[in-house]
Amino acid sequence: GIQVEQSPPDLILQEGANSTLRCNFSDSVNNLQWFHQNPWGQLINLFYIPSGTKQNGRLSATTVATERYSLLYISSSQTTDSGVYFCALAPFGNEKLTFGTGTRLTIIP
Amino acid sequence: NAGVTQTPKFQVLKTGQSMTLQCAQDMNHEYMSWYRQDPGMGLRLIHYSVGAGITDQGEVPNGYNVSRSTTEDFPLRLLSAAPSQTSVYFCASSYGAGNEQFFGPGTRLTVL
Repeated sequence: GIQVEQSPPDLILQEGANSTLRCNFSDSVNNLQWFHQNPWGQLINLFYIPSGTKQNGRLSATTVATERYSLLYISSSQTTDSGVYFCALAPFGNEKLTFGTGTRLTIIP
Repeated sequence: NAGVTQTPKFQVLKTGQSMTLQCAQDMNHEYMSWYRQDPGMGLRLIHYSVGAGITDQGEVPNGYNVSRSTTEDFPLRLLSAAPSQTSVYFCASSYGAGNEQFFGPGTRLTVL
């Protein structure tokens, strides 16, 4: 099956800092999503981005499908950004999402 | 729109007991799925359905049963609970292949 690698596994930053999270994958995809799992365990949809670039406030994401990676950018971090960020994707013709193991982000006030 | 709803939020079972985790969506989505999340890990697919009457196995199907009699509902049955099934269970839905998936709030299950 498709392989998904996320880096870094852990990231600790001061409030106000910027960060870049990376997701590498092993096959062509027609679905790629970024999720934030907050400390209460809720999975929050951030981006649906099988290709291209999107922005939503302080967050943006870019997927370069031909090179099989996606990046999530968080600017001016806030403590509420803490949690685990997951990349999940599905290859063409397949609905089944495969999740990466996540990046745990901790923002220190 | 309630989105994807799951009940119960929490459940404690004894080894050998059976139960059903409920999942419902009101977005007229064809595709529904169940995942489990173990501590420190990403989500793993248990079972999925591409429409009413059609189900298939995911990555970790053993010990679980599903059926899909309506578009809205996709219950997950634990036939004989085991401590290894202690986990958080998430239900998800989407319009189908290549479309954004939406997740429910999860059910935290403990098997003693």
